[in-house]
Amino acid sequence: NAGVTQTPKFRVLKTGQSMTLLCAQDMNHEYMYWYRQDPGMGLRLIHYSVGEGTTAKGEVPDGYNVSRLKKQNFLLGLESAAPSQTSVYFCASSRQGGTQYFGPGTRLTVL
Amino acid sequence: ILNVEQSPQSLHVQEGDSTNFTCSFPSSNFYALHWYRWETAKSPEALFVMTLNGDEKKKGRISATLNTKEGYSYLYIKGSQPEDSATYLCATPTGNQFYFGTGTSLTVIP
Repeated sequence: NAGVTQTPKFRVLKTGQSMTLLCAQDMNHEYMYWYRQDPGMGLRLIHYSVGEGTTAKGEVPDGYNVSRLKKQNFLLGLESAAPSQTSVYFCASSRQGGTQYFGPGTRLTVL
Repeated sequence: ILNVEQSPQSLHVQEGDSTNFTCSFPSSNFYALHWYRWETAKSPEALFVMTLNGDEKKKGRISATLNTKEGYSYLYIKGSQPEDSATYLCATPTGNQFYFGTGTSLTVIP
């Protein structure tokens, strides 16, 4: 099992560009999450999904959109990147209330 | 937004020392408390999931206790080794969301 995978691992964008981060899990988990990690801020939830076709906002959703068209995939989109979105992005999946399994992270720099 | 706090923010100990740190969380509507270990350049990995007041969990030299009535959990590391150097995160779920503390960064000096 690959667990949770994320693509890409690194990306540099210019302000105003768009991109999509892909998260995939092979553990048949219902719940999937996108977090961002910034120095001194810990992990902050951007959006999450409790099942295929469902999404919900987390703590810091502004500037991001998500989609969960397939149970195993959770996509995070940045429509118009801003320097404030420079961060490390982690995807995670879990059963309801259970242990979260994290992907390796995507380091995004917005110039 | 749930306020999950961890202390201290960072800790430096000598190899062989035992150490502990704290996670505080709101005691109302408690469901579970998770501990994760996060090594530099890697992703967080689960250590423990604790649900009952008075729970104690152990994994090798690492153990944790839980007090849901007063809203805290302690993580203990006995005889710290350099490979224990990492950030230790706690998190608690509320509804469908998880709220993480900012972590305790542990450095074990050989």
